[in-house]
Amino acid sequence: SQKIEQNSEALNIQEGKTATLTCNYTNYSPAYLQWYRQDPGRGPVFLLLIRENEKEKRKERLKVTFDTTLKQSLFHITASQPADSATYLCALLGTGGFKTIFGAGTRLFVKA
Amino acid sequence: DGGITQSPKYLFRKEGQNVTLSCEQNLNHDAMYWYRQDPGQGLRLIYYSQIVNDFQKGDIAEGYSVSREKKESFPLTVTSAQKNPTAFYLCATCGTAFSNQPQHFGDGTRLSIL
Repeated sequence: SQKIEQNSEALNIQEGKTATLTCNYTNYSPAYLQWYRQDPGRGPVFLLLIRENEKEKRKERLKVTFDTTLKQSLFHITASQPADSATYLCALLGTGGFKTIFGAGTRLFVKA
Repeated sequence: DGGITQSPKYLFRKEGQNVTLSCEQNLNHDAMYWYRQDPGQGLRLIYYSQIVNDFQKGDIAEGYSVSREKKESFPLTVTSAQKNPTAFYLCATCGTAFSNQPQHFGDGTRLSIL
């Protein structure tokens, strides 16, 4: 069955460092991959989308890579700030009407 | 402001009771979804609707029901048949169902058992 894995352990980093979160998947060939941010008690908010034929996508301090051979996406936040503390979800999308599959998310804590 | 409104924010259900969670949107989106979020698990799809007066079961539809009589509204009823309803419920919309467009989420309803 299709499976998407994100590190269940929280990631703790110091302010100013780069945070790197991992999303691995199996038994799926997604056409797109999305990243969302979720704050406690709130709904997820869309951040970035990357297509299967794109290796890298950037938006301000955010960078996403997508390696379809390794079946992995990496999500980087450079110059991290305490305000970046949240849970980050990855989501896989197929084509032709396939549903979106969400990972469980990784909790990020940025210490001042 | 354009957005998605879920209500109530907290809901308590008694044994044998049906409860209804509200989801209203003013984004003019065709597609609407209901997800359930449990600790340590990804969002699981309960029901979705691609257009008014049409809806389909998701992966965990048992014990739930929906309606889509208006484009703006997609209420979810948690019936007494759902034996483990305690969870965080999220409503989402998208311009087109299962496209690469991002989903827009409400701020959820947390349902607990009394």
